[in-house]
Amino acid sequence: DIQLTQSPSFLSASVGDRVSFTCRASQGISSYLAWYQQKPGKAPKLLIYGASTLQSGVPSRFSGSGSGTQFTLTISSLQPEDFATYYCQQLNFYPYTFGQGTKLDIK
Amino acid sequence: EVQLVESGGGLVKPGGSLRLSCAASGFTFSDYSMNWVRQAPGKGLEWVSSISSSSDYIYYADSVKGRVIISRDNAKNSVSLQMNSLRADDTAVYFCARKVAKLCVAGSCDAFDIWGQGTMVTVSS
Repeated sequence: DIQLTQSPSFLSASVGDRVSFTCRASQGISSYLAWYQQKPGKAPKLLIYGASTLQSGVPSRFSGSGSGTQFTLTISSLQPEDFATYYCQQLNFYPYTFGQGTKLDIK
Repeated sequence: EVQLVESGGGLVKPGGSLRLSCAASGFTFSDYSMNWVRQAPGKGLEWVSSISSSSDYIYYADSVKGRVIISRDNAKNSVSLQMNSLRADDTAVYFCARKVAKLCVAGSCDAFDIWGQGTMVTVSS
């Protein structure tokens, strides 16, 4: 099975900051990676698919990059509504797997 | 409105069974693969099972293989998860999610674009 390792697990930042999260795959998954945002008590929300394509309706301050085994999600200027937990997911091979998540909270 | 609504969760004793359902609306259900994803309290997301649009292809996580059965009824726009021999570590919120194939740099990329609100399953004596 493909393991996804996200770093950091926790990140504190301020409104207006630029932040980046990393997702590393245990083997190459081309660009078959998605990023999700989840707020407490809510379902995950799709942000990025294909490693770098922004889902319709998602603000342009979110961007994704990478391929193979190393991927990055960047938020260019944090807004109050961005404080949440972020998960990566590989959809190249079954079983689909998620990273353990990065929790972003307010400094 | 595109929507998925789960039901069927509840409290069950270890070794018991439960059937979860997910009702879809607002889109052509028979065109999409459907999935179940779970989240234990305070933990991350875990993919559980997938079923293709016409039920030709079915996949399970090792953690549930042999104990759960996914099925769908395209006439009723619903997908189900029959869960047997439940254990304490099956306690989680169970989400159903639609898998979509989208154009991307690699050609066609999958993602889970629509999620239900989740249904809680608690396995405890």
